[in-house]
Amino acid sequence: AQSVSQHNHHVILSEAASLELGCNYSYGGTVNLFWYVQYPGQHLQLLLKYFSGDPLVKGIKGFEAEFIKSKFSFNLRKPSVQWSDTAEYFCAVRSYDKVIFGPGTSLSVIP
Amino acid sequence: EAGVAQSPRYKIIEKRQSVAFWCNPISGHATLYWYQQILGQGPKLLIQFQNNGVVDDSQLPKDRFSAERLKGVDSTLKIQPAKLEDSAVYLCASSLVGSYIDEQFFGPGTRLTVL
Repeated sequence: AQSVSQHNHHVILSEAASLELGCNYSYGGTVNLFWYVQYPGQHLQLLLKYFSGDPLVKGIKGFEAEFIKSKFSFNLRKPSVQWSDTAEYFCAVRSYDKVIFGPGTSLSVIP
Repeated sequence: EAGVAQSPRYKIIEKRQSVAFWCNPISGHATLYWYQQILGQGPKLLIQFQNNGVVDDSQLPKDRFSAERLKGVDSTLKIQPAKLEDSAVYLCASSLVGSYIDEQFFGPGTRLTVL
């Protein structure tokens, strides 16, 4: 069955630390990849997306993600997190017009 | 630009009761999605509409869930009768045309608690 996994359920970092959230998927064909973020009390919103071309994708608020096709991965990174990055992060994969979300990673940034 | 609107924001019902959720997508968006998000999990697509036609309802429990999008604008999702396991946040999203390059815009969700 098609699935999306996220390596960590909950991550706690201090401000200025670097962030990497893992995402792996099990689709074999062409995929589109997304990272969504949900800040406390707010709607889900798109952070960044990959459709084709350069596998290193830059998104809003200093986030980036790298698509590694051979590893079926799309990890999210940020070199220096801020307290305002505290949120729930969801990886999502679209294949054959179906979008599957991962279970999410809760990020807490300590001032 | 107004976002995706959903109501109610919270609903508490007892099992076997019925409940309905309403969604008004962003103006001009042809595609509308309903997702179920159980606590600790990612959103799961229940149904996708393109205008007023159903594109995908493969994960909709059709024995108890129904959805409609009359006139291709706003939509209603109904659960009848509700079960304890239906407790979740129900998210509505919309996108311009529903193609693979489209961005989905999400509403605030309706948090359903079934007692």
